[in-house]
Amino acid sequence: GNSVTQMEGPVTLSEEAFLTINCTYTATGYPSLFWYVQYPGEGLQLLLKATKADDKGSNKGFEATYRKETTSFHLEKGSVQVSDSAVYFCALLDSSYKLIFGSGTRLLVRP
Amino acid sequence: EAQVTQNPRYLITVTGKKLTVTCSQNMNHEYMSWYRQDPGLGLRQIYYSMNVEVTDKGDVPEGYKVSRKEKRNFPLILESPSPNQTSLYFCATRVGTDYGYTFGSGTRLTVV
Repeated sequence: GNSVTQMEGPVTLSEEAFLTINCTYTATGYPSLFWYVQYPGEGLQLLLKATKADDKGSNKGFEATYRKETTSFHLEKGSVQVSDSAVYFCALLDSSYKLIFGSGTRLLVRP
Repeated sequence: EAQVTQNPRYLITVTGKKLTVTCSQNMNHEYMSWYRQDPGLGLRQIYYSMNVEVTDKGDVPEGYKVSRKEKRNFPLILESPSPNQTSLYFCATRVGTDYGYTFGSGTRLTVV
């Protein structure tokens, strides 16, 4: 079946460090891919998305590229801030339009 | 402003006492869904609804009920809550076919 695998956290970085959170997926066909972010005590917000192979989603300095050959959608940011501390979820939209999530990766950015 | 509104935000209850978590959306979306979030497991779908009077089970439906009598509301019902239903619950609507979901702020439920 369809599934999403994320790197386990927590990921702890110093401010201005480079961030990569790995995400790989298993799916039939070519699903749309998403990154959601959950700040402490809040719901999930859509961070970025990509709907087809080689698409790059970007928002707030974060980027992720839909790689069909490696079935990956890794999240990157060149310089993280303390305010980026949150839990990040990778997800795919399957053929029945169900959103399937990874287990989430907690990011902690220290000043 | 597009919104998915859940109530209550926090709820502590006792085993076996029926409860309802309400969800309302103001976007006229046909598709609505409930998820639960548990540490290390991410979010898992409980139930979904493609439209009024059309509901179906997700991946973890046991112990839950839903109803969709009107488009804007999609309540989650726990007839006899148990401690393993202690979790963070999210209601969501789908924004078109490629745009993922819009989520409510969540309901943290504790069953003692």
